Amino acid sequence: KQEVTQIPAALSVPEGENLVLNCSFTDSAIYNLQWFRQDPGKGLTSLLLIQSSQREQTSGRLNASLDKSSGRSTLYIAASQPGDSATYLCAVQKGAQKLVFGQGTRLTINP
Amino acid sequence: EAQVTQNPRYLITVTGKKLTVTCSQNMNHEYMSWYRQDPGLGLRQIYYSMNVEVTDKGDVPEGYKVSRKEKRNFPLILESPSPNQTSLYFCASSFMGGVEKLFFGSGTQLSVL
Repeated sequence: KQEVTQIPAALSVPEGENLVLNCSFTDSAIYNLQWFRQDPGKGLTSLLLIQSSQREQTSGRLNASLDKSSGRSTLYIAASQPGDSATYLCAVQKGAQKLVFGQGTRLTINP
Repeated sequence: EAQVTQNPRYLITVTGKKLTVTCSQNMNHEYMSWYRQDPGLGLRQIYYSMNVEVTDKGDVPEGYKVSRKEKRNFPLILESPSPNQTSLYFCASSFMGGVEKLFFGSGTQLSVL
């Protein structure tokens, strides 16, 4: 059974720092991996999607990498801002259109 | 505006009283799915649908029903709600599941007393 783990569960950093969020999964036979952002009281917003054949994806200050063989993905946020404060979740897709989510990392950027 | 719309946002009900949470998307997406989010358990998939009249179970389908009679709508039905179904529910859609980003609704907070 696929399990997805995100460490740490919470992270607090000062504004302007570069930071890395981690996601690990137990079964490397995945279809793709997505990183989402969730703001309190709101739904999830997809940030980046990495297909299994890709190594990384970039969008603005965000860069996500995927290493299927080691079962790991990282989300790199450059020059963090208070508006980046949210919970970040990763999810892996393994066939049959089923997504398995990690429990998320709650990120706080302090001004 | 492209969006996934869920209704209601908040719902309080009593055990055994049938309810329906509606989900509608305006992006002509083929794939739709329902999730529940619980503290300590994260997001878990309830049901998904690849297209009209095609639905399949996710990881936690017990106590739920879905239907996909039209492409844009994917209602979640609780025939006899129980307190353990108190949760935050999300509907999501994508053009083709697995190759496109997933769009989420704003969520429905359900409390079953």
